[in-house]
Amino acid sequence: EVQLVESGGGLVQPGGSLRLSCAASGFTFSLFDMHWVRQPTGKGLEWVSGIGKAGETYYAGSVKGRFTLSRENAKSSLYLQMNSLEAGDTAIYYCARGGQGFDAWGRGILVTVSS
Amino acid sequence: QSVLTQPPSASGTPGQRVTISCSGSSSNIGSNSVYWYQHLPGTAPKVLIYRNNQRPSGVPDRFSGSKSGNSASLAISGLRSEDEADYYCAAWDGSLSGHVFGTGTEVTVL
Repeated sequence: EVQLVESGGGLVQPGGSLRLSCAASGFTFSLFDMHWVRQPTGKGLEWVSGIGKAGETYYAGSVKGRFTLSRENAKSSLYLQMNSLEAGDTAIYYCARGGQGFDAWGRGILVTVSS
Repeated sequence: QSVLTQPPSASGTPGQRVTISCSGSSSNIGSNSVYWYQHLPGTAPKVLIYRNNQRPSGVPDRFSGSKSGNSASLAISGLRSEDEADYYCAAWDGSLSGHVFGTGTEVTVL
């Protein structure tokens, strides 16, 4: 069974940093693109960042220069380093596999940026 | 804000057909595949349609997708109470070099 489990969320002050992790199981992690998608409270889904099988990364304009996405295939893990966090980054963050669309999702983890 | 525009809401009675539109541009829908997702609050989103009109295994054939030019649509036929959810279209945008989601449509079964 394909599983994606996010961790590392929580409350952080504006300007602070947080590192999200996504542990994958049930599939060959290295063969898939991986992504982060977020949903601010009361708003719609927003793609945040993606990483290809070869490690190439892509970012939404709203996070470019502040967030860094990486993967560790040996550990079947995905990481999102979030720096210079703003109130607008407050959201549930989902880890998603890029297969036939985003075809597997984690349950999501809450990131709250507030003083 | 999103570059893909959807109506904020749609509704129908059980058994009816509901259609949701998704309007984009030549840099996203016009030149790339469209995907549709169903999202129930408190749960993980689920892909309903990939590559414009393909259904993953396990998705009922009541759900169908189509694309024409810079627009796409999702049709739900034989509407059921469990179809009450938020629906999002998505596509790769070549100009932005990133994926984009639609604004989302809340479907209500009356």
